[in-house]
Amino acid sequence: DSGVTQTPKHLITATGQRVTLRCSPRSGDLSVYWYQQSLDQGLQFLIQYYNGEERAKGNILERFSAQQFPDLHSELNLSSLELGDSALYFCASSQDRNYGYTFGSGTRLTVV
Amino acid sequence: AQKITQTQPGMFVQEKEAVTLDCTYDTSDQSYGLFWYKQPSSGEMIFLIYQGSYDEQNATEGRYSLNFQKARKSANLVISASQLGDSAMYFCAMREVNAGNNRKLIWGLGTSLAVNP
Repeated sequence: DSGVTQTPKHLITATGQRVTLRCSPRSGDLSVYWYQQSLDQGLQFLIQYYNGEERAKGNILERFSAQQFPDLHSELNLSSLELGDSALYFCASSQDRNYGYTFGSGTRLTVV
Repeated sequence: AQKITQTQPGMFVQEKEAVTLDCTYDTSDQSYGLFWYKQPSSGEMIFLIYQGSYDEQNATEGRYSLNFQKARKSANLVISASQLGDSAMYFCAMREVNAGNNRKLIWGLGTSLAVNP
């Protein structure tokens, strides 16, 4: 157990639907990062939150949004899902000044 | 722009032998960090080793060592005494620190390592 908890582990949904992926960071970590891993594009940074505030945005589609709550857990919302959104979505956390990143086990999203 | 290149899509190694996985990087930053992660077929991302750009000595963690050649911008992972459980995808990543002090990782495309008995 890495200390970063992602739920659900697997998600199968239809095109056009909306899903929410949840991440609880490791205790003491203030930063949460979301990454998407797909077969055609590899690992892509989506977005980072630090202590509740958005810190950086990467290749995140407008159909996707995220937030970090006061208890530091984060949610990634994916809407109007397309087949191409099928991927493994990782959450990672870090203490901002620490070089270490701890990854959750990922949520495997399948859009059918 | 920062970039990580892993030129070996797949590698084979005999059990108990050593293997080197290549990674080259491109950055104009003076301060950066390089990471190697392992992703077994189960999907989780496992941290292996870290090298800071100012670290003078090559990083080592058990059977893993990082051959850091700053002038050549390479950060190759060496796995000694390969085990069957080392069969996995291996990713090289670089920490980007921008003006906003975010520390996202830039990833290579990975190398698939198969350890043969």
